[in-house]
Amino acid sequence: QQQVKQSPQSLIVQKGGISIINCAYENTAFDYFPWYQQFPGKGPALLIAIRPDVSEKKEGRFTISFNKSAKQFSLHIMDSQPGDSATYFCAASPWGNKLVFGAGTILRVKS
Amino acid sequence: SAVISQKPSRDICQRGTSLTIQCQVDSQVTMMFWYRQQPGQSLTLIATANQGSEATYESGFVIDKFPISRPNLTFSTLTVSNMSPEDSSIYLCSVQAPQGGNGYTFGSGTRLTVV
Repeated sequence: QQQVKQSPQSLIVQKGGISIINCAYENTAFDYFPWYQQFPGKGPALLIAIRPDVSEKKEGRFTISFNKSAKQFSLHIMDSQPGDSATYFCAASPWGNKLVFGAGTILRVKS
Repeated sequence: SAVISQKPSRDICQRGTSLTIQCQVDSQVTMMFWYRQQPGQSLTLIATANQGSEATYESGFVIDKFPISRPNLTFSTLTVSNMSPEDSSIYLCSVQAPQGGNGYTFGSGTRLTVV
């Protein structure tokens, strides 16, 4: 069964700290790994995504680290801010196919 | 990336009735996806809708309960039929960006409460 396992379920970080969320997958056919950010009452919004041809991708304060051999990828939020408080979902899919989502991580950044 | 308009944004419905949710995209897309997000949960794919063909449903979802229309490349509807309180969820449509684009875009969702 195609699964994406996400941890932790919830996370509390001090303002200015680093938030780290991890995901692991099983299906080696997956070759697209996005992260989504969802605020209450809103649909998920694409935050950052990576393909397996690179091991890291950075966009501003957000970085994806990808380990193909371990079948793991993670989201790092540097200098975490209260406005980053949201639910974060990792996902995976074969390119052009349906996404499989992780269970989600509720992030709270304390000011 | 595509811009999705989803209607209604929320509704409260009586059990036994049906609700049709509309999803309008500002560009032509091949595949449209319908998801359900139960309170505090992750997203579960209901079905994939291609223009001109029957929707493909995921395990646990059936056409009689969730009929889908896809009349053209910019529009789709999902109907939640014969509703029960267990159908209370957020329903989201999603589209895939063109090859090389920004992945998948989601609508803002329809928050359905069945009483």
